[in-house]
Amino acid sequence: KQEVTQIPAALSVPEGENLVLNCSFTDSAIYNLQWFRQDPGKGLTSLLLIQSSQREQTSGRLNASLDKSSGRSTLYIAASQPGDSATYLCAVYSNYQLIWGAGTKLIIKP
Amino acid sequence: NAGVTQTPKFQVLKTGQSMTLQCAQDMNHNSMYWYRQDPGMGLRLIYYSASEGTTDKGEVPNGYNVSRLNKREFSLRLESAAPSQTSVYFCASSEATGRTEAFFGQGTRLTVV
Repeated sequence: KQEVTQIPAALSVPEGENLVLNCSFTDSAIYNLQWFRQDPGKGLTSLLLIQSSQREQTSGRLNASLDKSSGRSTLYIAASQPGDSATYLCAVYSNYQLIWGAGTKLIIKP
Repeated sequence: NAGVTQTPKFQVLKTGQSMTLQCAQDMNHNSMYWYRQDPGMGLRLIYYSASEGTTDKGEVPNGYNVSRLNKREFSLRLESAAPSQTSVYFCASSEATGRTEAFFGQGTRLTVV
């Protein structure tokens, strides 16, 4: 059974720092992996989708990598800003379903 | 540019009452999903519809029913609400099941007392 883990559960860093969020999964047989952002009381916003054949995807200050063999993905955020404060969720498409991690709550201190 | 629209945004039910959560998407997507999100846990799939006219159970289907009314609309019904169904419910859609980017609604916060 596919399981997705995100560590740490919470992270607080000063504004301007570069940071990395981690996502690990137990079964490497995935179609793709998607990173989302969730703001309090809001829905989920898709950030990046990495196909299983890809190694990374970039969007602005965000870069996501995928290593299927080790069951890991990272989300790199460059030059963090207070507006980046949110919960970040990763989800893997496995067996025709999205399997979710519990998320990392990120706080960027001004 | 509506995307995925859910109604209502908030609801309080008494134990045993019934209600239907509505979801509509305007992206001409084939697949639609219902998830629930509970504190400290990842989202869990309740039901999904790979295409118009089909529905399948997800990880936690007990206590729920769904209807894919047409390509745009996918509703979730609680026949007899229980306190364990207190949660935030999200509807999502994607072009195809499991392989393409998923888009989410704003969520429905449901409390069962």
